[in-house]
Amino acid sequence: EVQVVESGGGLVQPGGSLRLSCAASGFTFSSYAMNWVRQVPGKGLEWVSYISISSDTTHYADSVKGRFTISRDNAKNSLYLQMNSLRAEDTAVYYCARSNPICYALRCFYYMDVWGKGTTVTVSS
Amino acid sequence: EIVMTQSPATLSVSPGERATLSCRASQSVSSNLAWYQQKLGQAPRLLIYGASTRATGIPARFSGSGSGTDFTLTISSLQSEDFAVYYCQQYNKWPPYTFGQGTKLQIK
Repeated sequence: EVQVVESGGGLVQPGGSLRLSCAASGFTFSSYAMNWVRQVPGKGLEWVSYISISSDTTHYADSVKGRFTISRDNAKNSLYLQMNSLRAEDTAVYYCARSNPICYALRCFYYMDVWGKGTTVTVSS
Repeated sequence: EIVMTQSPATLSVSPGERATLSCRASQSVSSNLAWYQQKLGQAPRLLIYGASTRATGIPARFSGSGSGTDFTLTISSLQSEDFAVYYCQQYNKWPPYTFGQGTKLQIK
């Protein structure tokens, strides 16, 4: 079964750090780019970060740039999100999501097709 | 950044009836548009990608249409399990990927 499972969420004080993990199984992890997406309780979805297959390309939402770092370990089939200088507004459920390419006209576009159940991060004193 | 706007915010429909959800992009996203379903306490589930291609295992009552800036998700005959929140998302021009604010489909 193709799946991703997040872990590492919890309660942290403002200014603190947390590292999220995402374990992939059922597919060749090293063949897919990956993302983190978050959702404030009761609100919509917000894309957070992207990492390419070989980790040579990363992207971040402006709201987390300079504070969060995405990484992956293809040998361990794992994705990570290091979150530093956490703020109350970072409180959310964090989802790991696989990027699946669709290619045409000599270009590829990536939609998110496999999502985990999420891990909850609460930033509060 | 491309802004995605969904309408209506809430849609009340009776089981067995047809539901039509709309999504508009602030600039063209070609056909690079996905729809997701999210039930309370669950992760988003991919329904449609490429504006009109159903994802694996998605029932035929779900259909997507549109290109450019205007898109529609249609559920032809609502089942009880279809009542949820639906999001559209563009993946044409990024970063950032952007989502609509969601349409809550509720039982009438």
